[in-house]
Amino acid sequence: AQKVTQAQTEISVVEKEDVTLDCVYETRDTTYYLFWYKQPPSGELVFLIRRNSFDEQNEISGRYSWNFQKSTSSFNFTITASQVVDSAVYFCALSEAPVRGNKLVFGAGTILRVKS
Amino acid sequence: DGGITQSPKYLFRKEGQNVTLSCEQNLNHDAMYWYRQDPGQGLRLIYYSQIVNDFQKGDIAEGYSVSREKKESFPLTVTSAQKNPTAFYLCASSMGPRGSPTDTQYFGPGTRLTVL
Repeated sequence: AQKVTQAQTEISVVEKEDVTLDCVYETRDTTYYLFWYKQPPSGELVFLIRRNSFDEQNEISGRYSWNFQKSTSSFNFTITASQVVDSAVYFCALSEAPVRGNKLVFGAGTILRVKS
Repeated sequence: DGGITQSPKYLFRKEGQNVTLSCEQNLNHDAMYWYRQDPGQGLRLIYYSQIVNDFQKGDIAEGYSVSREKKESFPLTVTSAQKNPTAFYLCASSMGPRGSPTDTQYFGPGTRLTVL
């Protein structure tokens, strides 16, 4: 069965530090999609990135970067030079084939606290 | 402005009462979803609908009901049969026909339900 594990419950860093959020997934499918969402204190989930299982290229977007490694079933998220505004809960999620209705399976989330 | 609206933001219910949470989207998306979030846990899927007049149970559908009479609306009713309804409820939508996994799910701001 599909499963997403975010082993880090909470991380605290000081502003300008780099921080990596870990995500490990399990799936039976060869075609799947991985996502990261950010949940600020307001509660709304904000989409950050989508990655399909055939594209293992790392991606960088400003201070954010993602490292996808199929060999270790991991999709880790790094924030470079963290800022107080990065404080939020971050969720990793997995979506499988259409036959399963595009359901997202979420990890438990990692709370990131960035202190000034 | 396109987006997903959920109302109300906060909702209080007495034990034994049914209550309906609203979710409306003007993104012209075909698929809509309801998730429940409990403290320290990831989101869990309650119901989803890939097209008007059709919906399927998610992982935790017991005690909930939905309807999908219009493309833009997907209300969720929390019935008195739901044993522990206090939670944060998030509605999402995605674009493509029949909810392809290539479609990113976008989330509304959520409704926080408290049972007194």
